[in-house]
Amino acid sequence: AQSVTQLGSHVSVSEGALVLLRCNYSSSVPPYLFWYVQYPNQGLQLLLKYTTGATLVKGINGFEAEFKKSETSFHLTKPSAHMSDAAEYFCAVTSFNKFYFGSGTKLNVKP
Amino acid sequence: DVKVTQSSRYLVKRTGEKVFLECVQDMDHENMFWYRQDPGLGLRLIYFSYDVKMKEKGDIPEGYSVSREKKERFSLILESASTNQTSMYLCASSRSGERDTQYFGPGTRLTVL
Repeated sequence: AQSVTQLGSHVSVSEGALVLLRCNYSSSVPPYLFWYVQYPNQGLQLLLKYTTGATLVKGINGFEAEFKKSETSFHLTKPSAHMSDAAEYFCAVTSFNKFYFGSGTKLNVKP
Repeated sequence: DVKVTQSSRYLVKRTGEKVFLECVQDMDHENMFWYRQDPGLGLRLIYFSYDVKMKEKGDIPEGYSVSREKKERFSLILESASTNQTSMYLCASSRSGERDTQYFGPGTRLTVL
């Protein structure tokens, strides 16, 4: 069975600081992994995804994530937080056309 | 750009009412999905559809039904709304294939009084 665990339901960083949002997955097959962002009162928007190939994936708005098979992790990072990054972030793994989402991490960016 | 639209952004209904939530996508996607989103629970799959007139139950189908008469349209039906169905409902679509991104609509915030 596939599942996703996001450590930390709330993360708070200062503007300009490193952003690190954690995601661990379990999957019985090679995983396809996604990060989505949700701004208040909006739907989810794709940030980045890993399917095959390079394990370091770059996405929109300066975010990137690294697939580490040995650690079953797909953590999301951004070197320098911006106020506009404040949102909720969801990690997901797919299997047979279905997505399995984590419970989400709300990122707060302090001035 | 893929566009997924949902019929209402906000909806208020009374207990026992029949509620229809509609979703339309314009990219000829085979797959369509309905989720509900609740704080601390992430997204939970209610129903999905791989093709016209085809549907499969997700993780929480109780109290819901769906209809897909046309490829671009996927409707979620609450036969008799209850207060515990107050939630944010998100529709998504994707091409067939598990590598393919799901594209989401803006959501419908439903309140059942």
